[in-house]
Amino acid sequence: QKEVEQNSGPLSVPEGAIASLNCTYSDRGSQSFFWYRQYSGKSPELIMSIYSNGDKEDGRFTAQLNKASQYVSLLIRDSQPSDSATYLCAGGRGMNYGGSQGNLIFGKGTKLSVKP
Amino acid sequence: KAGVTQTPRYLIKTRGQQVTLSCSPISGHRSVSWYQQTPGQGLQFLFEYFSETQRNKGNFPGRFSGRQFSNSRSEMNVSTLELGDSALYLCASSPGGTGLQETQYFGPGTRLLVL
Repeated sequence: QKEVEQNSGPLSVPEGAIASLNCTYSDRGSQSFFWYRQYSGKSPELIMSIYSNGDKEDGRFTAQLNKASQYVSLLIRDSQPSDSATYLCAGGRGMNYGGSQGNLIFGKGTKLSVKP
Repeated sequence: KAGVTQTPRYLIKTRGQQVTLSCSPISGHRSVSWYQQTPGQGLQFLFEYFSETQRNKGNFPGRFSGRQFSNSRSEMNVSTLELGDSALYLCASSPGGTGLQETQYFGPGTRLLVL
């Protein structure tokens, strides 16, 4: 059973702090990883994708991937109340690794609350 | 570019009925995937369509089916609805390449309530 595990939270951080979100995955064949943000009652929206080991930065967001440890993380710097949402981690193989487009395995999400 | 659109946005049905949900992908995207989201199970993959063919299927009963049209629009159907089918049904599209897993872009979802 391929799984992606996330701490459900809630994770509460003060405004301006760094929020650290983590996930682990069981499928060693997963090559691509995604962080989505989902506001209550809305659909997931992509924050970042990461494919290679190491860090990837985009504005206030940094994704980190360690395939040897099967670990993915997302750092949010200078957290804002508008960042309060559920963050979903997802992994997928893609077709060149025996998977399929769209067959993302999602974690159940970490609820982040940023207090003003 | 317009995003992924889904209709209807909300549905209320009773047990035993059937329902059809529709999804239009981002222009140029040929892969359409469907997911079910519930509070208990999270987001679960239903199936993926590409060029009018189902390329992959998740672990759902045969009551869940889908199809894709030549313009890449997709529909999913759930027959003999059960209370447990109440969920947010999300459609996602991607270009549909054969390499690495592509980013999935989600539509707004259809919220189905089965009474």
